[in-house]
Amino acid sequence: DQQVKQNSPSLSVQEGRISILNCDYTNSMFDYFLWYKKYPAEGPTFLISISSIKDKNEDGRFTVFLNKSAKHLSLHIVPSQPGDSAVYFCAASEGTGNQFYFGTGTSLTVIP
Amino acid sequence: KAGVTQTPRYLIKTRGQQVTLSCSPISGHRSVSWYQQTPGQGLQFLFEYFSETQRNKGNFPGRFSGRQFSNSRSEMNVSTLELGDSALYLCASSLAAGNNYGYTFGSGTRLTVV
Repeated sequence: DQQVKQNSPSLSVQEGRISILNCDYTNSMFDYFLWYKKYPAEGPTFLISISSIKDKNEDGRFTVFLNKSAKHLSLHIVPSQPGDSAVYFCAASEGTGNQFYFGTGTSLTVIP
Repeated sequence: KAGVTQTPRYLIKTRGQQVTLSCSPISGHRSVSWYQQTPGQGLQFLFEYFSETQRNKGNFPGRFSGRQFSNSRSEMNVSTLELGDSALYLCASSLAAGNNYGYTFGSGTRLTVV
């Protein structure tokens, strides 16, 4: 049973516009969330994280929003750049010291 | 500083064979986790090792096993390969057990079972 879901397998956005990637989870005990970016033939690389005590975390062009009541998080990329084209995975874990559960990924294409 | 190294990068095996994949973590990292990536399933957790001990195990059959050596290098083994085992196998290392310190992933081993 997939505890972390990314319902959009792909997303296309024009360069300079906002990209919004969504992620839903089912386990209300999850309290730590991350986003990873993956280019072809490379392993995922850490992008940004958020803990359940916050509802927003920003790092440059990347912002993650957490809505605990809806069990939903989203990643905003503004402005989107062609180099952002990659597969984005969200991941969640329960407490510290436990495994991550990953979503199925969203393939983002930023069109120049 | 060298990243997480996985060998081999590509592997083709036939059904029924067994395979061993290797992962060398970042120097100083003591925790190694393994994930299977398949289209439509995302990254599925296989197991995590810390100080040569398996800490967590995902929901995979007993054909999937692993171990960690005293130098933190890890291997995973899949016996009696099935076509459905074709996937990208990713290894991730971190300083300590669990998620406190974040993961660094290797580039993966692409296993094809024919």
